[in-house]
Amino acid sequence: DVKVTQSSRYLVKRTGEKVFLECVQDMDHENMFWYRQDPGLGLRLIYFSYDVKMKEKGDIPEGYSVSREKKERFSLILESASTNQTSMYLCASIGGRETQYFGPGTRLLVL
Amino acid sequence: SQQGEEDPQALSIQEGENATMNCSYKTSINNLQWYRQNSGRGLVHLILIRSNEREKHSGRLRVTLDTSKKSSSLLITASRAADTASYFCATDHTGTASKLTFGTGTRLQVTL
Repeated sequence: DVKVTQSSRYLVKRTGEKVFLECVQDMDHENMFWYRQDPGLGLRLIYFSYDVKMKEKGDIPEGYSVSREKKERFSLILESASTNQTSMYLCASIGGRETQYFGPGTRLLVL
Repeated sequence: SQQGEEDPQALSIQEGENATMNCSYKTSINNLQWYRQNSGRGLVHLILIRSNEREKHSGRLRVTLDTSKKSSSLLITASRAADTASYFCATDHTGTASKLTFGTGTRLQVTL
């Protein structure tokens, strides 16, 4: 079974802090994704990566950056966290099939 | 945004009843997928229907697709309390799942 893990289930940070969210998949998948999920807005794509060191902006990249130094790991970085980045963050990956596999999510609260 | 719309936003039924959720989208698709999300967890893929298919079944799930109306429905038959979750449709415009557009979801509550 594909396994996608995220470094934290819950995270509380202060405004202005630099925040790292990490995602690891164990199936050698090439494509990985970061979404944020907010009530009434569904899932919105922040960034995705189709290979090591390759990245593309999604629909809402502002305030975020990403890093993919190894195939299995895709990190989402909030350079200076703000309260409007309080959200549920979901990582996903695909590997040659037509469906995405999701991690359990990280619920981030920025105070 | 090409985000899909789902209705109803919330649905409450009793165990044993059928649950129907609808999804509408705006542009042509390669396939449409349904995902389930238990409270506070990640999404799990349920079923995929291609643009040239009209109906698909998987266990108690039945999905229909009407590309002329740009809409899909998910039917869960003989619902169980364990079906309580949020259900999302996602449209795939590329055929590679490299960029899915998710709907806003339907929250299903199944009571005993």
